[in-house]
Amino acid sequence: DSGVTQTPKHLITATGQRVTLRCSPRSGDLSVYWYQQSLDQGLQFLIQYYNGEERAKGNILERFSAQQFPDLHSELNLSSLELGDSALYFCASSPRDRSSYNSPLHFGNGTRLTVT
Amino acid sequence: QKEVEQDPGPLSVPEGAIVSLNCTYSNSAFQYFMWYRQYSRKGPELLMYTYSSGNKEDGRFTAQVDKSSKYISLFIRDSQPSDSATYLCAMSEGGSYIPTFGRGTSLIVHP
Repeated sequence: DSGVTQTPKHLITATGQRVTLRCSPRSGDLSVYWYQQSLDQGLQFLIQYYNGEERAKGNILERFSAQQFPDLHSELNLSSLELGDSALYFCASSPRDRSSYNSPLHFGNGTRLTVT
Repeated sequence: QKEVEQDPGPLSVPEGAIVSLNCTYSNSAFQYFMWYRQYSRKGPELLMYTYSSGNKEDGRFTAQVDKSSKYISLFIRDSQPSDSATYLCAMSEGGSYIPTFGRGTSLIVHP
């Protein structure tokens, strides 16, 4: 068990809808990373938060947004959903603002999103 | 062309075989190289973490980096059915430390 908790495990919704995915990092970790995993694209970095502030941005669509709260849990909001947004969404955490040998990423078990 | 290329497989081997998993990359700035293992319905977990070129061994696992060829490998000796999983390579530049992942190679070790 990595210590990173993601809810819900599965989510089925319709096109055009909005959903919120939640992540609780490992105790003591200040950084939260969001990744999208699909069969054709692999694991794609979306966004990182460190201690409540946005730290780095990857290939995140404008329809997607995230935030990290004072208790360090994070939420990823996906709106105007399209069929192509169906994927596994992973959250990872690390102690510091940069991952390294001593501060690697620890992943949760993901949220499987299905858009119909 | 993706920054990190990895054959998705599947790679099927008998128990006890030596497995070789590989990735190529195009970004010369990558300095840190990682291998993650992902079991079905689980998140990736870190297996090996190496810096720059050379070999690193950890039990049955050996990670190899050849920066001149932009090629990394993971060798698994005496493979076990419990090694059946998807193996993702990942790499990052010195400055940003955000890992870029390969698509993953599915490994099946059959008894």
